[in-house]
Amino acid sequence: QVQLQESGPGLVKPSETLSLTCAVSGASISSSDWWSWVRQPPGKGLEWIGEIYHLGTTNYNPSVQSRVTISVDKSKNQFSLRLTSVTAADTAVYYCARWGGGMDVWGQGTTVIVSS
Amino acid sequence: DIQMTQSPSTLSAFVGDRVTITCRASQSISNLLAWYQQKPGKAPKFLIYKASNLERGVPSRFSGSGSGTEFTLTISSLQPDDFATYYCQQYQSYPYTFGQGTKLDIK
Repeated sequence: QVQLQESGPGLVKPSETLSLTCAVSGASISSSDWWSWVRQPPGKGLEWIGEIYHLGTTNYNPSVQSRVTISVDKSKNQFSLRLTSVTAADTAVYYCARWGGGMDVWGQGTTVIVSS
Repeated sequence: DIQMTQSPSTLSAFVGDRVTITCRASQSISNLLAWYQQKPGKAPKFLIYKASNLERGVPSRFSGSGSGTEFTLTISSLQPDDFATYYCQQYQSYPYTFGQGTKLDIK
């Protein structure tokens, strides 16, 4: 059974960098899947941030492309999200997910608040 | 970006009702559409892929249809567990985009 678990700071100061990790268990991150990040601001809908393939290929949402990096660590079977120069608009629940023809496995989500 | 528009935004129904949610794309996405169910405080749950294919383990009362720009999610007989918010998502082109959601609540 594939499981995903997000981790990272719950509070980030404006202009600083948000860093989250998604640990994958029950599957190899080197499988033929893409690994995604999605976020959901409080009371709002879902926004796709981007994805990575284990070989390092990435696709990003233009809305954050200049600030975002998604990377993979095969040795730890995990992937990560880095979002620079955050503002209050980046306050959201951040989810990692596996893309298998749809986002078929999700982490439970982690809340990140951007505030001084 | 492809814009996805769901209707209605909210829907009230009784247990046992048949309900339909519509999702429209701003341009053709063939059948590259997924549906998700989300309950408060929980991650979305994957329901349907390629517009009409039920994910393993999803009850058969859920069904999806459509192609091109118009899609529907139908629940044939609402159960108490079905009251949630539903999202469509296109994956025909990047960036992947979601509809704004349809909140289904108990009448």
